[in-house]
Amino acid sequence: ETGVTQSPTHLIKTRGQQVTLRCSSQSGHNTVSWYQQALGQGPQFIFQYYREEENGRGNFPPRFSGLQFPNYSSELNVNALELDDSALYLCASSDGTGRVQETQYFGPGTRLLVL
Amino acid sequence: AQSVAQPEDQVNVAEGNPLTVKCTYSVSGNPYLFWYVQYPNRGLQFLLKYITGDNLVKGSYGFEAEFNKSQTSFHLKKPSALVSDSALYFCAVRDLTGGFKTIFGAGTRLFVKA
Repeated sequence: ETGVTQSPTHLIKTRGQQVTLRCSSQSGHNTVSWYQQALGQGPQFIFQYYREEENGRGNFPPRFSGLQFPNYSSELNVNALELDDSALYLCASSDGTGRVQETQYFGPGTRLLVL
Repeated sequence: AQSVAQPEDQVNVAEGNPLTVKCTYSVSGNPYLFWYVQYPNRGLQFLLKYITGDNLVKGSYGFEAEFNKSQTSFHLKKPSALVSDSALYFCAVRDLTGGFKTIFGAGTRLFVKA
């Protein structure tokens, strides 16, 4: 069984650019969530996808968007990058059954620096 | 709104001594609580969760947590700390409103001295 993987590990962009981050779910998991972790803070929920549909969103503007593919891998897209978007972006997968108690398993993250 | 608070930014403990990392929560309805650990430049690793049942939950790496409904607390504990336990610990609560997101505390940094 493989864990959650994310790519790239690090990324440097300039303000105004667009970025795409990728995540491969743990085997058998159909639910993916994305979190933003700013330096010195806890992760903040961006959104969640279940079977290719967004089924929850945090307080992030529309320039944060995502996709989930039939194989349950996922992308996070951020348009019009701002300096405050610099953070560690974490992807987490879960099996989507019995959602209340399901455990989310996190990938290693992508560290994004916006200059 | 659901929330968690970790009142200590940092906890220092000597190796071999018991450790406690504190967490309090505020939820409407039943609480679903989690502890995660984060090592430098790594993602979060799941330690344990409370859903229902026994108030003492046992997890990975010898950690356990005690759920106390009257005090709305979910403190993480370990009987004997190891230097390798030094890391950042996050308490989290499952928010059942508007999607099944998890709300994390700000984190507590644990330092275990040899």
